[in-house]
Amino acid sequence: EAGVAQSPRYKIIEKRQSVAFWCNPISGHATLYWYQQILGQGPKLLIQFQNNGVVDDSQLPKDRFSAERLKGVDSTLKIQPAKLEDSAVYLCASSFRRDTDTQYFGPGTRLTVL
Amino acid sequence: AQSVSQHNHHVILSEAASLELGCNYSYGGTVNLFWYVQYPGQHLQLLLKYFSGDPLVKGIKGFEAEFIKSKFSFNLRKPSVQWSDTAEYFCAVNSGTYKYIFGTGTRLKVLA
Repeated sequence: EAGVAQSPRYKIIEKRQSVAFWCNPISGHATLYWYQQILGQGPKLLIQFQNNGVVDDSQLPKDRFSAERLKGVDSTLKIQPAKLEDSAVYLCASSFRRDTDTQYFGPGTRLTVL
Repeated sequence: AQSVSQHNHHVILSEAASLELGCNYSYGGTVNLFWYVQYPGQHLQLLLKYFSGDPLVKGIKGFEAEFIKSKFSFNLRKPSVQWSDTAEYFCAVNSGTYKYIFGTGTRLKVLA
């Protein structure tokens, strides 16, 4: 079974630029998650989709971050404009259902904002 | 606000030593509990999970965890660690609102 795919793996941008990350979940997984993991911290949930609807985006900085999951499959997370404190690894995960199901994580995108 | 605490940030053990990593959470309602592991150069993956039933759960690679509701704890244990257990371990909780909260992680180094 193919895992969760993410691209790009690394990205370096200047502050105030925009950036987008892409995620392709495991086939058939209805739930998709985006996490931000700052160095030395655990993953922090940014947004959770159930199919193409948002279940939880309470920790998403909506003034600069946006995410969409068109057609309930692939998802894109965008930052515009980026700040220095956005430097982190952005993880995508998917699960068959939410609540008790195992999340399968992708390799992450390491973002450096200069 | 809900939180998850992992008290040990770095642990160094010799092979064959016993392991216990602490995890405490703050939410008082029904919770689902998880331990995830990230081996060097690999993705985060599930070690074990608890959502109901026997509070002692067994996971992969000989790991187990015990849910103690009265202590809001879900500690991870392994009787005898191996060099290959060197990794970062994360405790995670989700509540009835399905919001996942991860702890800050514990880096385990096992000396051969």
